[in-house]
Amino acid sequence: ILNVEQSPQSLHVQEGDSTNFTCSFPSSNFYALHWYRWETAKSPEALFVMTLNGDEKKKGRISATLNTKEGYSYLYIKGSQPEDSATYLCAWPNFGNEKLTFGTGTRLTIIP
Amino acid sequence: KAGVTQTPRYLIKTRGQQVTLSCSPISGHRSVSWYQQTPGQGLQFLFEYFSETQRNKGNFPGRFSGRQFSNSRSEMNVSTLELGDSALYLCASSLAESSSGRRGTQYFGPGTRLTVL
Repeated sequence: ILNVEQSPQSLHVQEGDSTNFTCSFPSSNFYALHWYRWETAKSPEALFVMTLNGDEKKKGRISATLNTKEGYSYLYIKGSQPEDSATYLCAWPNFGNEKLTFGTGTRLTIIP
Repeated sequence: KAGVTQTPRYLIKTRGQQVTLSCSPISGHRSVSWYQQTPGQGLQFLFEYFSETQRNKGNFPGRFSGRQFSNSRSEMNVSTLELGDSALYLCASSLAESSSGRRGTQYFGPGTRLTVL
């Protein structure tokens, strides 16, 4: 993998259900992995910065894990709520850990 | 602390014109990055400035340029506008010059929606 890839591209989840999606990134020369949430008509908002293999971060009902050896991160949302509807982006610094390369995102829609 | 601000929020131009967009970072942030977002595309990196120096540039033609001032405010200029330049332009600021840790977290402005007719 030369770039950041996210799957699935879009997801519809029933309110109350839990869900997760994936970010894959180059596993060599790892520096950090960023997760952002981008709600419609708003600016992207930082969720997590993950730096260590095995890292697990949590913010309310949202959590993320990191596997730097195999080059992936999972984002989990427990008990989805309508306000979780957004595009979730992951980003990986390259070019000597300065520039952030963003994935195309997972567009999550919560169905009430 | 005030967030990242961008002006103008909306802009309509015609082909061949040029445009300047402005970004004011969060106070104390010295790194400013610019991104373009078009329908179906992710955030495409344009360039990044730190302490008035352009440190990285994305794969965009030379019509796209930028600069940063001593107060960390940044401007982006697009000359000879084309229809394909219609997009949302986002600017983001961060504390650190490196994106390898929490201090590299980027804080985004609301964006400038540019429409080229």
